[in-house]
Amino acid sequence: QKEVEQDPGPLSVPEGAIVSLNCTYSNSAFQYFMWYRQYSRKGPELLMYTYSSGNKEDGRFTAQVDKSSKYISLFIRDSQPSDSATYLCAVGGTDSWGKLQFGAGTQVVVTP
Amino acid sequence: NAGVMQNPRHLVRRRGQEARLRCSPMKGHSHVYWYRQLPEEGLKFMVYLQKENIIDESGMPKERFSAEFPKEGPSILRIQQVVRGDSAAYFCASSSYPPYLAGGRSDTQYFGPGTRLTVL
Repeated sequence: QKEVEQDPGPLSVPEGAIVSLNCTYSNSAFQYFMWYRQYSRKGPELLMYTYSSGNKEDGRFTAQVDKSSKYISLFIRDSQPSDSATYLCAVGGTDSWGKLQFGAGTQVVVTP
Repeated sequence: NAGVMQNPRHLVRRRGQEARLRCSPMKGHSHVYWYRQLPEEGLKFMVYLQKENIIDESGMPKERFSAEFPKEGPSILRIQQVVRGDSAAYFCASSSYPPYLAGGRSDTQYFGPGTRLTVL
């Protein structure tokens, strides 16, 4: 069983729609949660960082963490074609400092 | 550009040759992490280094792979006697603080553009 599960997609949405992405994880020791965006043949770019449970909002992006169900989400409002990319969730915890566990990534396509 | 730098961006090697991948962390960062991304897969942790120390190498293959982060200069990921299965994108990340600092709060890792290794 993978530590982090993420639907690979692709997820296709029309411009202006809300993009909803999620990951599940198996280890309750994970305490910090991140979302990265990766354009084709580029390095991952940090979008959101959350420590423990709760919501965090930054512009058009909202990250949610539910530690009781080991479920993390990313929402992108008013999606743009420039949001077309692969979105990677990543988790880390006190039992493996510095060792981020990544999901496989969800490919998102926003159509004009 | 004060971001994480990696070179070369593309590297082609024949089976049995050595590959050396270099990573210069962001200015002021002294913690470096290497990840490998195989086609259609997520990033897999390989090793975490501080200056002159390997902190966690639990993701490194037991043979042919080594990493260092000397007191001066970039971090180096070295792959000896490459095989076709080593073909992948290798990403380096850096952070300014160790991940266990500040009551469990982890400093974020910032990634470089990657080195794409092709083994013929």
